[in-house]
Amino acid sequence: KAGVTQTPRYLIKTRGQQVTLSCSPISGHRSVSWYQQTPGQGLQFLFEYFSETQRNKGNFPGRFSGRQFSNSRSEMNVSTLELGDSALYLCASSLESRLKKGEQYFGPGTRLTVT
Amino acid sequence: AQTVTQSQPEMSVQEAETVTLSCTYDTSESDYYLFWYKQPPSRQMILVIRQEAYKQQNATENRFSVNFQKAAKSFSLKISDSQLGDAAMYFCAYPVPSNSNSGYELNFGKGTSLLVTP
Repeated sequence: KAGVTQTPRYLIKTRGQQVTLSCSPISGHRSVSWYQQTPGQGLQFLFEYFSETQRNKGNFPGRFSGRQFSNSRSEMNVSTLELGDSALYLCASSLESRLKKGEQYFGPGTRLTVT
Repeated sequence: AQTVTQSQPEMSVQEAETVTLSCTYDTSESDYYLFWYKQPPSRQMILVIRQEAYKQQNATENRFSVNFQKAAKSFSLKISDSQLGDAAMYFCAYPVPSNSNSGYELNFGKGTSLLVTP
């Protein structure tokens, strides 16, 4: 099976702009989660989508949003970019099953640099 | 709050030797999984090993094994016969159930940077 894919892998944006990142989960996985990784804050949970619905949200401002499509692919959007949004954004997918209890598989990440 | 603590920011091991990375966590749940992830310089987060809390037997995946002490809420990772390719950041992770009681978010420790020397 193909793994989780993320596009683009690298992105450079200017303050005030907006950006959209894309994630395609492992085939059959219906849950997609997004994480932000920075040297200072480590890995922080952004949100989780399942069946096109946001099911869980982390403590991030409303500038961070996402959506999920019927094929489980997900996008996240950051509007009005700030310098502090520079980070590695990781997408993870999981098989919805009580037996799996949070086991997630990650994509290679999108490195966003805001100048 | 459910927290994950990795007290060793950096560790070093010689090739072919064994190293143990520590992790403690806090939870009020009784049935849960725990995970170790590896993040090499490529930044791809790779699932190394999982432990099911209701299983007393420690999980093992080839050269990787865990020492799970449920009462002490301790979940350490042992890497045997270390190889140069094991050099990476290692993260301990605990899945926190969402408020809606379906789905989970992973709560990660700060990570341990493992250096493998020839």
